[in-house]
Amino acid sequence: SYVMNQPPSVSVAPGKTATITCGGNNIGSKSVHWYQQKPGQAPVLVIYYNSDRPSGIPERFSGSNSENTATLTISRVEAGDEADYYCQVWDAGSEHRVFGGGTTLTVL
Amino acid sequence: EVQLMESGGDLAQPGGSLRLSCAASGFTFESFGMTWVRQAPGKGLEWVSAISGGGESTYYADSVRGRFTISRDNSKRTLFLHISGLRAEDTAVYYCATSSGGFFADWGQGTLVTVSS
Repeated sequence: SYVMNQPPSVSVAPGKTATITCGGNNIGSKSVHWYQQKPGQAPVLVIYYNSDRPSGIPERFSGSNSENTATLTISRVEAGDEADYYCQVWDAGSEHRVFGGGTTLTVL
Repeated sequence: EVQLMESGGDLAQPGGSLRLSCAASGFTFESFGMTWVRQAPGKGLEWVSAISGGGESTYYADSVRGRFTISRDNSKRTLFLHISGLRAEDTAVYYCATSSGGFFADWGQGTLVTVSS
């Protein structure tokens, strides 16, 4: 099954830019989706198809995907952005949906 | 507004069975694939199973194939997950979610399954 690697943690000061990566073999050929999960809550979709934002998600959230790395970028980080973030793809070969291990974003 | 509400989570013994349900409202249920995702305590998200809108196609993670069965009743707008042969490692919060285009747009609040003797 397809494997994606995320850094366990990322820290950023308020107002700065957070970058969360998701590495995978030729992940640039896949569509990557991102979820935000705050403690005790269900996940929320924040980016789909690499860079599209669902309605209600701030423009501060953006995504990109190329070659072996997909990236979630959060600009002008706020305290409320502190959460776990997961990347996810559909692996056509296995028909499996796959999540990365997750990254905890800490706002300093 | 899309609403998904899971139920059926409980304390169960190893080797036992449970049936989880997910009641859906606020969208055309039969037009959407659905999925189950679980999260063990303190761990990350794990995709478990998916089913097409009409129910004719089903998919399973390797870790649950042969023990879990996903199904749906479109007339009752309800998604199911039947779990048998429960193991300690099945202990988790189980979420249902809409599945369209390979991503999960809307999620329920989850139901807790605890496997322990």
